[in-house]
Amino acid sequence: SYDLTQPPSVSVSPGQTASISCSGDNLGHKYVGWYQQRPGQSPVLVIFQDTLRPSGVPDRFSGSNSGHTATLTISETQVTDEADYYCQAWDSSTVIFGGGTKLTVL
Amino acid sequence: QVQVVQSGAEMKKPGASVKVSCKASGYTFANNHIHWVRQAPGQGLEWMGTINPRGGSTNYARNFQGRISMTGDTSSSTIYMELSSLRTEDTAMYYCARLHGSSGGGNLDSWGQGTLVTVSS
Repeated sequence: SYDLTQPPSVSVSPGQTASISCSGDNLGHKYVGWYQQRPGQSPVLVIFQDTLRPSGVPDRFSGSNSGHTATLTISETQVTDEADYYCQAWDSSTVIFGGGTKLTVL
Repeated sequence: QVQVVQSGAEMKKPGASVKVSCKASGYTFANNHIHWVRQAPGQGLEWMGTINPRGGSTNYARNFQGRISMTGDTSSSTIYMELSSLRTEDTAMYYCARLHGSSGGGNLDSWGQGTLVTVSS
């Protein structure tokens, strides 16, 4: 089976840049999406097709994907960005989620 | 705007079945696959499967094959997910979500509010 690996936690200071990685075999050959999930809320798509932002998502959120690693980058991080972040890709006809990364802003 | 609204919380006994509904609005229902994802308390997201509202074809995750069924009603723009032979480990928040893009490369762009299913004797 295909696995996506994320760090369990990332910490960042307000105003700094946060980077969350997602690794998988030849992940660069697949499209990756990223979801933000605040406590008690449903996930929200923040990046799709590796680099694209849905309308309404601040341009502080950006994505990249190459080789075996996709990265979600949040610039000028705000306290409101504190949440769990999940990467997602496809393996054949199956949706795969990474294990999630808890972003702490302090 | 696109909305996906799920049915309310359910409490079931082990061995029972649960059926959760997911009503979509704000777009052409038949044009987008619907996926189901669950999240156990304190855990990550687990993909359960998908249904194509146009024709009703389904694709289920291996972990659920044999005890999951997804159906659609185009007249009411509603998708149903039924999970049988419930175990306490099935206690989770269940989400439906709309697929943006094609199967094999798309992402889930609109999520329901979640349905909490509790399995307890």
